[in-house]
Amino acid sequence: DAKTTQPTSMDCAEGRAANLPCNHSTISGNEYVYWYRQIHSQGPQYIIHGLKNNETNEMASLIITEDRKSSTLILPHATLRDTAVYYCIVRVAGVTGTASKLTFGTGTRLQVTL
Amino acid sequence: SAVISQKPSRDICQRGTSLTIQCQVDSQVTMMFWYRQQPGQSLTLIATANQGSEATYESGFVIDKFPISRPNLTFSTLTVSNMSPEDSSIYLCSALGGANTEAFFGQGTRLTVV
Repeated sequence: DAKTTQPTSMDCAEGRAANLPCNHSTISGNEYVYWYRQIHSQGPQYIIHGLKNNETNEMASLIITEDRKSSTLILPHATLRDTAVYYCIVRVAGVTGTASKLTFGTGTRLQVTL
Repeated sequence: SAVISQKPSRDICQRGTSLTIQCQVDSQVTMMFWYRQQPGQSLTLIATANQGSEATYESGFVIDKFPISRPNLTFSTLTVSNMSPEDSSIYLCSALGGANTEAFFGQGTRLTVV
């Protein structure tokens, strides 16, 4: 799996958009970009994933650059409950077995403040 | 989305003993994985639990220390054997429904070895 690079930590004011960047410059054509978050003392929670088109769901938006070497997760109106560690992961699609595993990096610790 | 239940949620164990952690998924899944998260660290994959065959272990993890069972498509166990204080971690179970679906995680088992 391609390696990802994320900032160690970020702050965001409540109600503002949180933009979390991720670099994955060695991503392969068949690798998806996944985002998970881990709120303190809980298991990781799936947020969103995409291949090359921008994606949006009820939790967030995912913007992937045209060359697919980087992406940004956008939480449009951050709340205190969005304080968590956010992980950007790339994973090969269309396979099962050990190739379908998720490899976690160090993630970005997002602190949402009043 | 799949719901994953892990038991126990936490335990305090004596060194030299073993603990078996159970992971139950509420629907049949293709893949199941076991992760370890040491204090203040990211998640590290221990192994892929294969249904009907031996688990596939990541570098640094061995079957004698972390035996894994997966008797069917909804259940897996991880045993932490001959425990030492260095095994104090959160152990997480994850399940994946298919090749392109997202992975889901249990809430983890917080293990303290004294």
